[in-house]
Amino acid sequence: DARVTQTPRHKVTEMGQEVTMRCQPILGHNTVFWYRQTMMQGLELLAYFRNRAPLDDSGMPKDRFSAEMPDATLATLKIQPSEPRDSAVYFCASGLVLSRSTEAFFGQGTRLTVV
Amino acid sequence: DAKTTQPNSMESNEEEPVHLPCNHSTISGTDYIHWYRQLPSQGPEYVIHGLTSNVNNRMASLAIAEDRKSSTLILHRATLRDAAVYYCILRKMNRDDKIIFGKGTRLHILP
Repeated sequence: DARVTQTPRHKVTEMGQEVTMRCQPILGHNTVFWYRQTMMQGLELLAYFRNRAPLDDSGMPKDRFSAEMPDATLATLKIQPSEPRDSAVYFCASGLVLSRSTEAFFGQGTRLTVV
Repeated sequence: DAKTTQPNSMESNEEEPVHLPCNHSTISGTDYIHWYRQLPSQGPEYVIHGLTSNVNNRMASLAIAEDRKSSTLILHRATLRDAAVYYCILRKMNRDDKIIFGKGTRLHILP
């Protein structure tokens, strides 16, 4: 049963610490999305990649956030330094672009709490 | 980017059909209409998508107006497990095919 795997599922950290969230997309998928969800803002697109290259990261605060795909099986989202306002659920999704409009599969999310 | 408008919330009785509306009056010819839903404490999941013609799958049906300025997601027989937030999304069929979520409609199912 193919699925997107995110680790860790929960993370509590102190303000100022570095946080790294990992995502394993479904094997063979060539598109990866990162989202952040809060009660106030809903689901916000932070960045997305096609064939490991960033297509759009305009939704991401550049001073503290970075997203990379070191290889086709791993996407990472890093926050350094973390702040309490970064507390949210972070979702990763992957998809396979064949017919230009296909579904994205979401992971279970990483719930981040910055204290 | 073309926007969608959905009611904030809806209620329906269990085992009855549910019609979830979505307005997208500024839709362009390159926009597909996608629906996702998010069950409590889970990531969003794909429901259905279409371009011009009505679509059916095992989860739902999508009815698209002839002018494409509105669409309706139809759950034929709602169960308690269908209680979720339903998102109507326009997604371009070109390189810029990012998925932008709005507020969605929170669907409550009454037993």
